Amino acid sequence: DAKTTQPNSMESNEEEPVHLPCNHSTISGTDYIHWYRQLPSQGPEYVIHGLTSNVNNRMASLAIAEDRKSSTLILHRATLRDAAVYYCILRDGRNNAGNMLTFGGGTRLMVKP
Amino acid sequence: NAGVTQTPKFQVLKTGQSMTLQCAQDMNHEYMSWYRQDPGMGLRLIHYSVGAGITDQGEVPNGYNVSRSTTEDFPLRLLSAAPSQTSVYFCASSLNWGANNEQFFGPGTRLTVL
Repeated sequence: DAKTTQPNSMESNEEEPVHLPCNHSTISGTDYIHWYRQLPSQGPEYVIHGLTSNVNNRMASLAIAEDRKSSTLILHRATLRDAAVYYCILRDGRNNAGNMLTFGGGTRLMVKP
Repeated sequence: NAGVTQTPKFQVLKTGQSMTLQCAQDMNHEYMSWYRQDPGMGLRLIHYSVGAGITDQGEVPNGYNVSRSTTEDFPLRLLSAAPSQTSVYFCASSLNWGANNEQFFGPGTRLTVL
């Protein structure tokens, strides 16, 4: 599976937008880009995913570069509750042998009041 | 829906003891999996199941057994606990194994092996 690279940590002010970057230069044409987050002492939580086009849902937006070698998770107005570790994960759409989510180190987002 | 539930929340074992971590989902999901998370690390896949009666190994299967007799339940067994198995264990489920769907995670079981 292709790997992703994320900054170890980022800081944001409450109620401001947050842009979390992810590089995946070896992405293949069938890889989906998934984002999960993990709040302290909780299990991971699905945030959003996409293949080629930008995606929006109630939690966030996902902006995918035209060459798909990078993507950005956008939280439109950060709240204290958004402080978590955010994981950018690639999942091969051809993989039928298992439904693996390969978690790297992620980005620890700190939100200041 | 209760989603994905796990029991117990906390467990302390002595080296060599056995136990079963329980996982259940009420969403009629085909796919279920077990991950472990060591301190400061990401999650690693232990075992997974693509349907009742079908299981397979993930990245770190040694020391763990699983079975899937029903769609709802996917227990993880530690036959002889070792200190290296001290970790937080998460169960997850999804509608099927396709990459174009989300996984739902349980709250985790924090296991300490002395």
